[in-house]
Amino acid sequence: DIQMTQSPASLSASLGETVTIECLASEDIYSNLAWYQQKPGKSPQLLIYDASSLQDGVPSRFSGSESGTQYSLEINSLQSEDAATYFCQQHHDYPFTFGSGTKLEIK
Amino acid sequence: EVKLVESGGGLVQPGRSLKLSCAASGFSFNDYWMGWVRQAPGKGLEWIGEINQDSSTINYTPSLKDKFTISRDNAQNTLYLQMSKLGSEDTAIYYCARGDYGSYGDWGQGVMVTVSS
Repeated sequence: DIQMTQSPASLSASLGETVTIECLASEDIYSNLAWYQQKPGKSPQLLIYDASSLQDGVPSRFSGSESGTQYSLEINSLQSEDAATYFCQQHHDYPFTFGSGTKLEIK
Repeated sequence: EVKLVESGGGLVQPGRSLKLSCAASGFSFNDYWMGWVRQAPGKGLEWIGEINQDSSTINYTPSLKDKFTISRDNAQNTLYLQMSKLGSEDTAIYYCARGDYGSYGDWGQGVMVTVSS
């Protein structure tokens, strides 16, 4: 199975700041990576697909990038509604696997 | 509007079986892969598996392959998850999701399954 090592497990940032969440794949996943946001008591929502493509309706302050097997989700100009847990997911090979999640707190 | 509604969850005794359903509407169900993902209380997301449009291809996470079965009825626009030999480790919220080339762009609200005596 492809392992997705996500970091950090949690972070706290202030309104207006920029944060970066990372996922390291255990092997090449050829940009087959998605990012999801999950708010407490809610279903996950797709933010980014194919590593860097923004899902319809998602604010442009969210962006994805990659460098080798390292994938990053950047959130610019943090807003209060960005408080959530974020997960990455590889869909290059079965079984698909998720990262362990990053809980983002807004100060 | 895409809508996915899971049902069939609840309290079940260890060792028993349970079948979840996911009713789909708002899109052409038989054009999409469909998947199941679960989340144990306070934990992360675990991919269970997915099924292609005509049920000819079904993939599972290996640890669940022998106890979970995914199926679909395109005439009824419904996805199913048959779960057997349930244990406490299967206590979770179960989500169905619409596949989009491997990612999941639409999710149901989830259904809780509690395995306990």
